Amino acid sequence: RKEVEQDPGPFNVPEGATVAFNCTYSNSASQSFFWYRQDCRKEPKLLMSVYSSGNEDGRFTAQLNRASQYISLLIRDSKLSDSATYLCAVNKGSSASKIIFGSGTRLSIRP
Amino acid sequence: GAGVSQSPSNKVTEKGKDVELRCDPISGHTALYWYRQSLGQGLEFLIYFQGNSAPDKSGLPSDRFSAERTGGSVSTLTIQRTQQEDSAVYLCASSLRPGQEDEQYFGPGTRLTVT
Repeated sequence: RKEVEQDPGPFNVPEGATVAFNCTYSNSASQSFFWYRQDCRKEPKLLMSVYSSGNEDGRFTAQLNRASQYISLLIRDSKLSDSATYLCAVNKGSSASKIIFGSGTRLSIRP
Repeated sequence: GAGVSQSPSNKVTEKGKDVELRCDPISGHTALYWYRQSLGQGLEFLIYFQGNSAPDKSGLPSDRFSAERTGGSVSTLTIQRTQQEDSAVYLCASSLRPGQEDEQYFGPGTRLTVT
């Protein structure tokens, strides 16, 4: 089993739709969770960290489910500019451990 | 302020040659990561430096790959006797320190093509 797994997609949804992605992780000791966005031929950039209580930033909501070992990203009222690959990232366990990325979920928003 | 920089941005080399890729992290960042990304694929972890601790080299795919970080700042990833399967984008990232807020800042990457 991969340490961090994501559905590769692509997800193709109409503008204005709500879309959600999940990301599962294998190490129950993981403490830090993130969602990154990567545009085509660009480097990844942090979208949001994921906190235990869940957090929201505008149209984006991130949640953590420790019992089932997954994080989720919800995008409401999707825009054409949301088209990108969304990568989840999880640290391996201890606070000083490395970050492992999922392979990413491709999202395409159509007009 | 200045972000993470990498050089060269593009490198074309012949099979069997050695290459060196450079990463300048954000000043003051103690953690530095190297990843590899093939076309349409996710990020493959290669190596992780954290302060003065021994680096985590568990992701290096073979002994042809090595990396060093001098003075806790600049890092160089060296690939010896390059093979065609080494062709990929090599991304470097740094973070202020590991922990709950360990946001990584990525450089623009070096696109390596082995012919």
